[in-house]
Amino acid sequence: EPEVTQTPSHQVTQMGQEVILRCVPISNHLYFYWYRQILGQKVEFLVSFYNNEISEKSEIFDDQFSVERPDGSNFTLKIRSTKLEDSAMYFCASSESSGGSIRDTGELFFGEGSRLTVL
Amino acid sequence: DAKTTQPPSMDCAEGRAANLPCNHSTISGNEYVYWYRQIHSQGPQYIIHGLKNNETNEMASLIITEDRKSSTLILPHATLRDTAVYYCIASFQYNNNDMRFGAGTRLTVKP
Repeated sequence: EPEVTQTPSHQVTQMGQEVILRCVPISNHLYFYWYRQILGQKVEFLVSFYNNEISEKSEIFDDQFSVERPDGSNFTLKIRSTKLEDSAMYFCASSESSGGSIRDTGELFFGEGSRLTVL
Repeated sequence: DAKTTQPPSMDCAEGRAANLPCNHSTISGNEYVYWYRQIHSQGPQYIIHGLKNNETNEMASLIITEDRKSSTLILPHATLRDTAVYYCIASFQYNNNDMRFGAGTRLTVKP
């Protein structure tokens, strides 16, 4: 079964360093997302991406974050200057559509996550 | 998107039906009710969604009240592997580009 893959599974970095988290969405999917989950807290929406541009972003997704689809298969999240509070599990997701009917679920398929630890 | 409220935790005996409630009293006519679950710290997994009618798939059934102000997710024969956090989300019909997760219900299936 096709799946979303994320690398690295765990990254440890020093505060102030740049981090790039990588995702390979399911191949025929058109919509891409990043979420994060701080330990013990809820899953938080960061950003959605369609047609090579950001569709929606949350208040968390400030100027230190950026997303890119550098080629036909990868979708990346860059954190420019990491802070301690960026420590979290980052989930990438993709969907074939954005929903719209009972038959068209707009189901989000999530990867296993990249755990980021900022020291 | 409409806000949803769920009980923080529930227990269920293995083999019995698990009924997880969700209130969404401010849901609008073009918002669907979605259910996802998160097993341990894995990525969330889609379960089911619906608009007005009850829905069933291989994982679960979704019962939506006639006024659409609440719904119930039913796992007909819960197993230990169904232990997870279950999220009920109301999301705009043609745009779930910013699907937002709440705190969910932590379901513990006990032997």
